Amino acid sequence: SQKIEQNSEALNIQEGKTATLTCNYTNYSPAYLQWYRQDPGRGPVFLLLIRENEKEKRKERLKVTFDTTLKQSLFHITASQPADSATYLCALGMNTGFQKLVFGTGTRLLVSP
Amino acid sequence: NAGVMQNPRHLVRRRGQEARLRCSPMKGHSHVYWYRQLPEEGLKFMVYLQKENIIDESGMPKERFSAEFPKEGPSILRIQQVVRGDSAAYFCASHPQGGKETQYFGPGTRLLVL
Repeated sequence: SQKIEQNSEALNIQEGKTATLTCNYTNYSPAYLQWYRQDPGRGPVFLLLIRENEKEKRKERLKVTFDTTLKQSLFHITASQPADSATYLCALGMNTGFQKLVFGTGTRLLVSP
Repeated sequence: NAGVMQNPRHLVRRRGQEARLRCSPMKGHSHVYWYRQLPEEGLKFMVYLQKENIIDESGMPKERFSAEFPKEGPSILRIQQVVRGDSAAYFCASHPQGGKETQYFGPGTRLLVL
């Protein structure tokens, strides 16, 4: 069956450390993968997109890797800050002729001062 | 430039009533998606619309749910005869014609069915 999995347990880290979140999937062949941030009571906000032929993407303190062999993406936040505390969602993008996204359940990140 | 707008932000309905959720995409965006987010679950695709056309409604329940995106005005997600299981957050997202895979989400409507 098709699955997209993110660690359901919250990730607690100390300010200044690097947070690493994982997204694994099975029985999908995504053309691209996206990461979103979602704060309580708000809609998701797009952060980064990485395509199937890309290994790594960076944006400021954010880094995403995409391994289509392992069927896994890692999302890193370096020099984390309390303001980074949120739920982070990964989403698979399919080649369906339109942007059909399949979302994971998200991982909650808590950065302590 | 205002973002995606949804209203109402919170909606309470009794079982059997109708719920109408509205979404105004970002200015210049002609593509709208609706998603549902149940507690402790990921966002689930429901329907994809362009102006006056439903392109894909494969994620929408066959009964009681309908969506439209008229030439003028917001996109509407309509749920008839609501049941408690319809309680969820409903998000819409938009992107422009030829958008580069980025969807812009609204703040969501939280529907509570009593």
